Amino acid sequence: GPKVLQIPSHQIIDMGQMVTLNCDPVSNHLYFYWYKQILGQQMEFLVNFYNGKVMEKSKLFKDQFSVERPDGSYFTLKIQPTALEDSAVYFCASSTAGGVSAETLYFGSGTRLTVL
Amino acid sequence: QQKVQQSPESLIVPEGAMTSLNCTFSDSASQYFAWYRQHSGKAPKALMSIFSNGEKEEGRFTIHLNKASLHFSLHIRDSQPSDSALYLCAVSTGSALGRLHFGAGTQLIVIP
Repeated sequence: GPKVLQIPSHQIIDMGQMVTLNCDPVSNHLYFYWYKQILGQQMEFLVNFYNGKVMEKSKLFKDQFSVERPDGSYFTLKIQPTALEDSAVYFCASSTAGGVSAETLYFGSGTRLTVL
Repeated sequence: QQKVQQSPESLIVPEGAMTSLNCTFSDSASQYFAWYRQHSGKAPKALMSIFSNGEKEEGRFTIHLNKASLHFSLHIRDSQPSDSALYLCAVSTGSALGRLHFGAGTQLIVIP
């Protein structure tokens, strides 16, 4: 079936440094998402992205976070600067459409970010 | 703020048994209800979804929704060891593009 690829699977970074998480969504999908899962907790919505713009973001999407998908390449989540509380698994997802009648969200396997 | 809770947290069943997983939600305006399955270290993968009250069956899997009770469930008939995984329920109010609220999951182990 359709696959969403996330690179890398694990990243370790020092607090205060910048990190970019990469996501290669399903090729014909138009909507892109990031979710965050802190160890032992629920997966939580961060942001969705369509047509080059952030459509909606949650309170977890801090000012230090940004997303982009330049020229149809990777969909990226950048954190600058990183903080200890940013340590989590970040899941990327994509879908063909948005809204309640949306197609299923297809998730990647996640990038485990460890901030030291 | 939508609250989604799953029960039980973990479940061990013998092969061939019927498995029932539960999910409650708090927002009565919720319109989309789904179950995802996640094998260890893998991506969460959608199993089934439902929009309106009632039941929907796909193979060995049945989803049941009761909006008035703020509850939906997943039933697995003839459980197989390959069904062993983390099961996540997800709810959306529908107005937010792909903004799913997930439960913490039920870890299912099916013993051969």
